[in-house]
Amino acid sequence: KNEVEQSPQNLTAQEGEFITINCSYSVGISALHWLQQHPGGGIVSLFMLSSGKKKHGRLIATINIQEKHSSLHITASHPRDSAVYICAVTGNQFYFGTGTSLTVIP
Amino acid sequence: DTAVSQTPKYLVTQMGNDKSIKCEQNLGHDTMYWYKQDSKKFLKIMFSYNNKELIINETVPNRFSPKSPDKAHLNLHINSLELGDSAVYFCASSPFETSSRGETQYFGPGTRLLVL
Repeated sequence: KNEVEQSPQNLTAQEGEFITINCSYSVGISALHWLQQHPGGGIVSLFMLSSGKKKHGRLIATINIQEKHSSLHITASHPRDSAVYICAVTGNQFYFGTGTSLTVIP
Repeated sequence: DTAVSQTPKYLVTQMGNDKSIKCEQNLGHDTMYWYKQDSKKFLKIMFSYNNKELIINETVPNRFSPKSPDKAHLNLHINSLELGDSAVYFCASSPFETSSRGETQYFGPGTRLLVL
């Protein structure tokens, strides 16, 4: 069993929809990261969280330390949001989720 | 100006060869990392260096050897390349050692290695 589990694995949405990607982890962490990997392969760090909630534009990330769970929300989704979203946690080691592949259809 | 750069972008080579991938960051960060992303897009950390000292060395074959001539550079040398080494290798940097302070990492564009 992977230390970091993401759901769903694949997600297709219509443009404008509200999207939620979930991440659960089973290890102690100092921080949780949300990464975005574009179809071209480049990786961008979206958020780094250790508690609470962060917002950047249409993206919102939340974390519940007690429940060992984080969510990434995208409001008013757009085709350019199509990418793989990866959850990663850092503590004594790095652990990565397997990613959620998001496709937003115009 | 590119914050974290990697060269080459693509690398195609024969089994058994020795190759190097270079990484440079101009962010003044203390810590640099190498990650491997396999064909299933699963990311895995390989090495982490903090101020030229090895911090993390995950279970990777000793054919892989990181070299850090200064804190702005972390190069990855791979000896006796095997088919299974084909992957995308990402370099990243952060201001501090992420595992202890949870700092945001900045990723390079990746090097796509294909071993024939």
